[in-house]
Amino acid sequence: EAQVTQNPRYLITVTGKKLTVTCSQNMNHEYMSWYRQDPGLGLRQIYYSMNVEVTDKGDVPEGYKVSRKEKRNFPLILESPSPNQTSLYFCASSLQGDGYTFGSGTRLTVV
Amino acid sequence: AQSVTQPDIHITVSEGASLELRCNYSYGATPYLFWYVQSPGQGLQLLLKYFSGDTLVQGIKGFEAEFKRSQSSFNLRKPSVHWSDAAEYFCAVDGSGYSTLTFGKGTMLLVSP
Repeated sequence: EAQVTQNPRYLITVTGKKLTVTCSQNMNHEYMSWYRQDPGLGLRQIYYSMNVEVTDKGDVPEGYKVSRKEKRNFPLILESPSPNQTSLYFCASSLQGDGYTFGSGTRLTVV
Repeated sequence: AQSVTQPDIHITVSEGASLELRCNYSYGATPYLFWYVQSPGQGLQLLLKYFSGDTLVQGIKGFEAEFKRSQSSFNLRKPSVHWSDAAEYFCAVDGSGYSTLTFGKGTMLLVSP
């Protein structure tokens, strides 16, 4: 089944403890992206990648890192999480110019 | 810069009635346009997309959308709403074609019996 898989689905962590949210797609898509969703603010793009080793900042990249060493994987790294990064995170992938296929989301709480 | 406006935060429609959700975008040329739906606790599902050509596009679940260049709009419609359509709907624009989608803030659809 064609899908985007992100893990974990739920995560509670403490301020400053490094964490990684994994994302993997099995559709051989070139493009991958991370979004965060917050009430009243909608979805905002954090980072995106157009192919292996090609990444760029989205609208809200501060406090996040990404890497794209393989085509299928696009992990999101929070080096020192803070409470304002509490949010619902979505990974997505697509072919160029096509609509994104989204993962099921990761609900992150930073205390 | 590209932007999307969904003027209605909430809309309530009676089951069986028609639906129109509004979306206006800002971009210098004709962008790629999308509508997504998000059910509670779920990810986003693509309903339909417009790239070029026929300005009336058909999507899944009986939805359609019409692109109007003169109004910079891409409104979503459905002739008869079902209770299972209750969800949040997002309009999105991609001006570059490089999957840098910008989303509107969403419209929550409530369906009354």
